Amino acid sequence: RKEVEQDPGPFNVPEGATVAFNCTYSNSASQSFFWYRQDCRKEPKLLMSVYSSGNEDGRFTAQLNRASQYISLLIRDSKLSDSATYLCVVNKRTSGTYKYIFGTGTRLKVLA
Amino acid sequence: EPEVTQTPSHQVTQMGQEVILRCVPISNHLYFYWYRQILGQKVEFLVSFYNNEISEKSEIFDDQFSVERPDGSNFTLKIRSTKLEDSAMYFCASSDPLLGSGEAFFGQGTRLTVV
Repeated sequence: RKEVEQDPGPFNVPEGATVAFNCTYSNSASQSFFWYRQDCRKEPKLLMSVYSSGNEDGRFTAQLNRASQYISLLIRDSKLSDSATYLCVVNKRTSGTYKYIFGTGTRLKVLA
Repeated sequence: EPEVTQTPSHQVTQMGQEVILRCVPISNHLYFYWYRQILGQKVEFLVSFYNNEISEKSEIFDDQFSVERPDGSNFTLKIRSTKLEDSAMYFCASSDPLLGSGEAFFGQGTRLTVV
């Protein structure tokens, strides 16, 4: 089983739509969780960290369910500029070091 | 805002040649990483570095690869004898998990093309 799994998409949605992405992780020792955004041929950039209590940043809401080892990202009122690949990233601590593990990414295309 | 910087942005090299990819991590970060991304594929972990030594390396990071922090600021990835399949985007990252939310910050990447 992959350590971090995401549906690769693509998700094609009209402007203004609400879209949700899911991610599951296999290692219960994972400590922190993030959604990154990656534009074509660019570096991953942090979109938001994910906390157990859930957190919101404008049109973006992230949720973490540690019991189910499940992370979600909800984007409301999609904009054309939201078109990108969304990467689920899990940070795991092992033997005193940290490691960021990436999912395959979910491609989103917002259509006019 | 502090950032991770990488040079060069693009490197073309002949198969069998050595390349060195350079990175300047964020200055107060303690953990450094190299990742690679083959075109159209996922971001893959190569190696992590802490306290002047390798903390963990993946199966990809074989004897052809090495990392170094030659001074207080630079962090380099060397590929000794490049193969065609080494062609990829290489990202350097740094973090301090005790700062902020502990996220990793990525450089803009070096696109390596082996011909």
